[in-house]
Amino acid sequence: EAGVVQSPRYKIIEKKQPVAFWCNPISGHNTLYWYLQNLGQGPELLIRYENEEAVDDSQLPKDRFSAERLKGVDSTLKIQPAELGDSAVYLCASSPLSLAGGNTGELFFGEGSRLTVL
Amino acid sequence: AQSVSQHNHHVILSEAASLELGCNYSYGGTVNLFWYVQYPGQHLQLLLKYFSGDPLVKGIKGFEAEFIKSKFSFNLRKPSVQWSDTAEYFCAVGPRGTGNQFYFGTGTSLTVIP
Repeated sequence: EAGVVQSPRYKIIEKKQPVAFWCNPISGHNTLYWYLQNLGQGPELLIRYENEEAVDDSQLPKDRFSAERLKGVDSTLKIQPAELGDSAVYLCASSPLSLAGGNTGELFFGEGSRLTVL
Repeated sequence: AQSVSQHNHHVILSEAASLELGCNYSYGGTVNLFWYVQYPGQHLQLLLKYFSGDPLVKGIKGFEAEFIKSKFSFNLRKPSVQWSDTAEYFCAVGPRGTGNQFYFGTGTSLTVIP
């Protein structure tokens, strides 16, 4: 079974430039997450989708970050314009269906997209 | 607000030494608990999880963790570490009834010296 696929693995851009990350979750996983991981820190949630609906985007800096999951499968995360402080690893994860509001279990992570903003 | 605390940021052990990594969480309701591991150059993966039942859970590679409800803790243990256990370890909490939410600790970097 294929895992969570992310691209690109690495991206180097200059500040004020746009950047986009793509994620394809595990087939059948309806919940998709974008996390931000700074060096020496744990993953911090940016946005969580249930199918195509963003159910938690409270931590997404909406002035420069946007995300979409149009068909409830793959997703893109965009930053425009990028700032120096955006340098980090952007992790995508997926999880199976949430039943009756319960927490279903483990997250399946992609390998991450490492962004360096110069 | 929910929070997950990992007290040990960096741990260095010799092979065969015993390991215990602390994890405490702050959440008033029922939670599911997880330990994730990230080996060098690899993605985060599940080490073990606790949902209910026996508070002592066993995971892969000889790891185990004990849920102590009164202490809001879920410490990770291994009796004898190996060089291949060198990795970052993250504790995570999934509050029940909130859908698929997960909150992570800041992680512990473990280095095992051969």
